Amino acid sequence: GAGVSQSPSNKVTEKGKDVELRCDPISGHTALYWYRQSLGQGLEFLIYFQGNSAPDKSGLPSDRFSAERTGGSVSTLTIQRTQQEDSAVYLCASSLLGVDSPLHFGNGTRLTVT
Amino acid sequence: GENVEQHPSTLSVQEGDSAVIKCTYSDSASNYFPWYKQELGKRPQLIIDIRSNVGEKKDQRIAVTLNKTAKHFSLHITETQPEDSAVYFCAASKRSGNTPLVFGKGTRLSVIA
Repeated sequence: GAGVSQSPSNKVTEKGKDVELRCDPISGHTALYWYRQSLGQGLEFLIYFQGNSAPDKSGLPSDRFSAERTGGSVSTLTIQRTQQEDSAVYLCASSLLGVDSPLHFGNGTRLTVT
Repeated sequence: GENVEQHPSTLSVQEGDSAVIKCTYSDSASNYFPWYKQELGKRPQLIIDIRSNVGEKKDQRIAVTLNKTAKHFSLHITETQPEDSAVYFCAASKRSGNTPLVFGKGTRLSVIA
């Protein structure tokens, strides 16, 4: 079946502008995650949604970052007033159950802030 | 919170040799330990995982071992092939407290033909 879909695949924006990144998880997956991967670096946890529970926002680096998940499916990660250090690949993943079930990653959105 | 350390950061092996990547974790309550492979420009993909109720798991040329007492787990790749070249990430999570996966910083494996 269809995997995790992210859009756009690439985004170039000017410093100070707001951006929205979209994630469409695998149908039926209850959990959705956002991770950030800077060039040549590891996977930094940002936020986690599980069913109807309140999201775990403990990884968001500043209050410029926010995310929502509507109807338990599609998620949007919003970065306000972008900075150059926000440049990275933003990866979305979903899993069938909770934190101890395999993650299925999307192809990511490469964000470049100029 | 959980902290996952991964070593080495880079590893070069000759084709046909074995490769071993090691990870340690800090939270003794962690119970799920997956390994992901990320080829250049691609998404991370799960290659094997292990849960805290077993000590070893194998899948063809890949095996993972877990030592709960020492809080470390390792990935073993035997008979390496050029297509094994990638970045490998270990991770840990725990069901109690609903803690999401925390990843190690990755190991860049190069298999030299």
